[in-house]
Amino acid sequence: QKEVEQDPGPLSVPEGAIVSLNCTYSNSAFQYFMWYRQYSRKGPELLMYTYSSGNKEDGRFTAQVDKSSKYISLFIRDSQPSDSATYLCAMRETSGSRLTFGEGTQLTVNP
Amino acid sequence: EAGVTQFPSHSVIEKGQTVTLRCDPISGHDNLYWYRRVMGKEIKFLLHFVKESKQDESGMPNNRFLAERTGGTYSTLKVQPAELEDSGVYFCASSQLQGIPYEQYFGPGTRLTVT
Repeated sequence: QKEVEQDPGPLSVPEGAIVSLNCTYSNSAFQYFMWYRQYSRKGPELLMYTYSSGNKEDGRFTAQVDKSSKYISLFIRDSQPSDSATYLCAMRETSGSRLTFGEGTQLTVNP
Repeated sequence: EAGVTQFPSHSVIEKGQTVTLRCDPISGHDNLYWYRRVMGKEIKFLLHFVKESKQDESGMPNNRFLAERTGGTYSTLKVQPAELEDSGVYFCASSQLQGIPYEQYFGPGTRLTVT
């Protein structure tokens, strides 16, 4: 069983839609939760990170962590065609620095 | 500031041959990581250097893979001999020692195809 589960999609939405991306995990030791964005033929780029439970907002992006349910989410408001990319959730334990990734969700925002 | 660079961007080799991938981290980053993504799977951790020392190599799949980081600067990942299942995209990442959560900056990856 994978430590992190993420629906690979693909997900296609119209411009301006609210996008919800989710991951579930099984390792209770994960304390840092991150969302990376990856454009085609590029490396992953950190979008947001959250420590432990709670919400974090940055512009059109909101990250949520529910440790009791082992469930994290990324919301994108007013989605734009430039948001079209693969979104990867990643997690890390307090000790050590290796990242454990989900499979990634491929998102397309149509003009 | 230059980002993480990787060379080559794409390598096609035959089964049984040797390939060496190179990663140049961001200047001043003491942490260097190798990850791999095989087709249809998630990105998986291979190993972690702190300066020139291997901190964690628990993700290395087998002894056909050898990673080095001479002088704590650039790193190489050698696959010898390559097998078909080694095909995938190999990412390198680097980060500073301080800061939470030690944000890892990724390179564009090397796409390895073993035929």
